[in-house]
Parts: sequence; structure tokens; C-alpha cells
Amino acid sequence: NAGVTQTPKFRVLKTGQSMTLLCAQDMNHEYMYWYRQDPGMGLRLIHYSVGEGTTAKGEVPDGYNVSRLKKQNFLLGLESAAPSQTSVYFCASSSQRQGKNIQYFGAGTRLSVL
Amino acid sequence: EDKVVQSPLSLVVHEGDTVTLNCSYEVTNFRSLLWYKQEKKAPTFLFMLTSSGIEKKSGRLSSILDKKELFSILNITATQTGDSAVYLCKGSNFGNEKLTFGTGTRLTIIP
Repeated sequence: NAGVTQTPKFRVLKTGQSMTLLCAQDMNHEYMYWYRQDPGMGLRLIHYSVGEGTTAKGEVPDGYNVSRLKKQNFLLGLESAAPSQTSVYFCASSSQRQGKNIQYFGAGTRLSVL
Repeated sequence: EDKVVQSPLSLVVHEGDTVTLNCSYEVTNFRSLLWYKQEKKAPTFLFMLTSSGIEKKSGRLSSILDKKELFSILNITATQTGDSAVYLCKGSNFGNEKLTFGTGTRLTIIP
């Protein structure tokens, strides 16, 4: 029962470097999300996707890009990392069937930008 | 603008106490409110509540939503140290996935 898997678990970047965070889900969910979590700020939505090939901006999209080429994968890219992007990143997925909208989360990626 | 506000921000109680966590919401085209528990890593789902007003229960945890006053409470009775966590609530509506979580309530149970 893999559920939602995020890679990597930890990463340290220098300012200006780029990287891609990978999220994979094996529950055939239509919806996928990327959040960042910072102390005192709760979970904030970066981007989300309602299906393969579609993405949309969330609450804090600047500095990030995403792609959903396959239904099971949702990639989060940082083209030029900044210290303000130091955070814990969570991926989630959900199914809209039965009106449940319950999200299942990955274990998180802790990113530090120096 | 849609928003979700949780209170208190943090709470420290002794093992065995009963606690009530609050979540107020202003959500256009409201569908449901969800509670999650976050320990060290990923949030895990607890309850989903709708305007039906039906109370949800799971062991020592229960939750209910007041659709007139636009808030929900999460009750935990006979608290245990394993209940220590951040409790998050999130509003859900029809058609807008931009809704995000409240900032959470950090609950600490002292043995």
C-alpha cells in the first residue's frame, strides 16, 4: 500500500539552483496537489491538478512550475531556488468520486535553500 | 474571500483531560469541512462533515458542524500522549480547489 510517495525526502540547494520534486500516487486519483508548510502558516496550496495534462495555480504559485504528464505523477519544479523557498513540501491526491474529496498526503520533502 | 480560522493556536493539557478545538469557516458554495491530524509528517484524515449536521465519532474523538454559525468543533475525551499533534481543518466547496487549510491547533498532552 504505497499511497502517495514523494522523492526526495530531503534536499539542500544553493540559491539559483534548480530541482524537481516528484510525487507519485497509486490510487488512481484524479486530483493532485502541492503544498508548502511553514511555521505559523499552515499548509498553503502552491499548484494543483484536476486531471492528466491540466494544472492550475494555488495560493502561492510564484517561483514554482508543475507538470502532470501522467495521471499518477505530479512534478513540482523550482527553476531558480531562493532562500524563501526553504520549507517542507507536501504532495496530496484525492478522488472526487462519491463527493468525498478526502486528501491523502505524502511524507513530505524538507528543502533548504542556502 | 474564503477563509478558515482555527483556535486556539496551541493548547497544553494533562493526560486524561477533555479538549475542544475550534474551526470557523467562510466558504462560498460550501460542500464539506475536513479535519486532519498531523504528527511528525503527513496529515492524516480524521473526519469529513457536511451541512447535514450529523456528528462524526471515532473512539475518543468526535466532531460536529454548525451550519448556521459556520463553525466546527473537534472534541477529544480522556486525552492520551498519542493525541499530541497539530490538528488541521480545511473547507471544501464545489468547483474551487484553491481553498487551503487553517493554520492548525498544536495540541500537547502532558503525561
